[in-house]
Amino acid sequence: ILNVEQSPQSLHVQEGDSTNFTCSFPSSNFYALHWYRWETAKSPEALFVMTLNGDEKKKGRISATLNTKEGYSYLYIKGSQPEDSATYLCASLKGSTLGRLYFGRGTQLTVWP
Amino acid sequence: DTGVSQDPRHKITKRGQNVTFRCDPISEHNRLYWYRQTLGQGPEFLTYFQNEAQLEKSRLLSDRFSAERPKGSFSTLEIQRTEQGDSAMYLCASSRVGVGAFFGQGTRLTVV
Repeated sequence: ILNVEQSPQSLHVQEGDSTNFTCSFPSSNFYALHWYRWETAKSPEALFVMTLNGDEKKKGRISATLNTKEGYSYLYIKGSQPEDSATYLCASLKGSTLGRLYFGRGTQLTVWP
Repeated sequence: DTGVSQDPRHKITKRGQNVTFRCDPISEHNRLYWYRQTLGQGPEFLTYFQNEAQLEKSRLLSDRFSAERPKGSFSTLEIQRTEQGDSAMYLCASSRVGVGAFFGQGTRLTVV
């Protein structure tokens, strides 16, 4: 079993605040780290696929960084908006089980107007 | 619509009945996954196919669960003799090398 941990479990912020959350994963035999955004009543939507140590990706106000040596990734949201409210999931791929995603439990973000 | 589709979207069944769900992946994706999510949990891995081969099945699953992908395209997930603990959202996803997984909208199962 590959333990993928996310923190915090839930987060409440005011509109305009910037926020970040953490995904930690075993660094051995790492292949890729995926971030997903999951809104209520919708299917999870892929945000980023990250593979290289030091990788940094950006999509609008959302960005993510990756440290494969220490086994963590940060997701940042700049100037949170109510429409950012969702559960943010990370999932790790190990080289030895290529194709199987191991998910964390997610961080539930609520942005208050 | 060229995304992942799942059918049905909702299923209510009596305890002890069998249910079958279908997943149609994105056509060029050779990998297909089934996950289950219960309230407050992240997606829990059930099984994974590469083409028609079922490469891995979670040890958490009892023998009541079976999945098939007979021609390497659509997949079915069957639950026999359903129990109340089987109530969950069942998610299907597909992918190919170098691409993140794309999820269907899930099948919500309620066992009464």
